[in-house]
Amino acid sequence: SQQGEEDPQALSIQEGENATMNCSYKTSINNLQWYRQNSGRGLVHLILIRSNEREKHSGRLRVTLDTSKKSSSLLITASRAADTASYFCATDSMDSNYQLIWGAGTKLIIKP
Amino acid sequence: DGGITQSPKYLFRKEGQNVTLSCEQNLNHDAMYWYRQDPGQGLRLIYYSQIVNDFQKGDIAEGYSVSREKKESFPLTVTSAQKNPTAFYLCASSMIAGLQPQHFGDGTRLSIL
Repeated sequence: SQQGEEDPQALSIQEGENATMNCSYKTSINNLQWYRQNSGRGLVHLILIRSNEREKHSGRLRVTLDTSKKSSSLLITASRAADTASYFCATDSMDSNYQLIWGAGTKLIIKP
Repeated sequence: DGGITQSPKYLFRKEGQNVTLSCEQNLNHDAMYWYRQDPGQGLRLIYYSQIVNDFQKGDIAEGYSVSREKKESFPLTVTSAQKNPTAFYLCASSMIAGLQPQHFGDGTRLSIL
């Protein structure tokens, strides 16, 4: 069962621009995580944000969480060609027995 | 370096055949997971294990089996009962189940001959 839905499904921007991806979910959550997947590879963890947090930063990444709207956004600033990848959000909750429920991902392409 | 190793990278299955995908971790993590990823979709949980000698079914366990005899190893068998096995299979681990980021291997791509 997929809880998270990423928006947009695909995003293509010029190098140096900012990229924003959104994730919506359906039930109350414990944590929300963002992961990156390069083509044909495994996923790499980017950021975990807890349900009582509203914003978190890591380098060029900024994640926000709005539990009233059941949504999160991932902002990548000053994008680079190496940021080209698919980005997934995943949530866990008591309902899922704390197992991660994944969205379908946003495919990000950074044009040089 | 600590990490998760999946093998083989590519695997082909003949009709009626069982195949086993290997997953080994040296991160000393208690929890391990198997996911299936189909093109353009998110991950779906097949099985997970919170501790040695224990495992639970995920959302799509039918046609798959696992074992967890050692902390570092969590092999997945795709049985002949799985009629649509073509997919990208990902193994992951975390320090404890839930509440922690998961670390992933680089996947096994399974195709039908």
